[in-house]
Amino acid sequence: GQQVMQIPQYQHVQEGEDFTTYCNSSTTLSNIQWYKQRPGGHPVFLIQLVKSGEVKKQKRLTFQFGEAKKNSSLHITATQTTDVGTYFCAGIPYGSSNTGKLIFGQGTTLQVKP
Amino acid sequence: DAEITQSPRHKITETGRQVTLACHQTWNHNNMFWYRQDLGHGLRLIHYSYGVQDTNKGEVSDGYSVSRSNTEDLPLTLESAASSQTSVYFCASSAHRANSPLHFGNGTRLTVT
Repeated sequence: GQQVMQIPQYQHVQEGEDFTTYCNSSTTLSNIQWYKQRPGGHPVFLIQLVKSGEVKKQKRLTFQFGEAKKNSSLHITATQTTDVGTYFCAGIPYGSSNTGKLIFGQGTTLQVKP
Repeated sequence: DAEITQSPRHKITETGRQVTLACHQTWNHNNMFWYRQDLGHGLRLIHYSYGVQDTNKGEVSDGYSVSRSNTEDLPLTLESAASSQTSVYFCASSAHRANSPLHFGNGTRLTVT
C-alpha cells in the first residue's frame, strides 16, 4: 500500500544545533503537511506545501517539497528547548486529493539538551 | 473560539466490553476523522466521514464503528474491546477534503485490560 516513511525516528541534539527530518513517499503526493506534537499533547498543524520544489520558512523552520513531490524535509536552525516534540509529515497521494485522507509518517521525536 | 473536544480523556475497560469515545467539534466542518496513535506507527486512520450519514473505513477499521447523525459529532465505538486496541485515539476535523489542515482534539487514552 501507499506509505510515507520518516527518518530518523529519534534525534537528540544539543541546544543550538541544527536538526533535520526527512519524509519519503512511495507515491507522488498532491500536497504535504507538517504537524508538531508536544509531549502529552495533540498534533498541531504547522504548514502545507503544494508545489514541486516549494520552500517555505517559519522563523527558524524551513520546509521543502521535492521536485518529484515524493519527498519533503523539515530543517530547524539553532534548536531551542521549545522545539522538543514529535514532528509528523502527512501527504495525500496524487489522484486521491478529493478524499482528504492524509497518510502520516511515523514521526521524528526531537529531544533538545539545554 | 471553535474547538474539537474528546471525552473521556482516559478510559480503562475490560476485554469484551463495548466502549464509545466521543468527539464533538464546533468548527462546523463536514470532514471528521478518527486516528489511533501507537509507538512506531504514527497516526493510523480508523474511520472518517464527509458529512451527515456518511461514514467510511480507514486502514485499521476492524473492530471499530462510527456513526454521523449530525455535523458536530462522530462517536467511535469499539464493539468488543481487545487488548490490541489499547492506544491513544485522536479525533480530527477539516474544512475541505483537499489542501485543508486537520484540527485535532486532545485525545483519549484507552487501556483495555
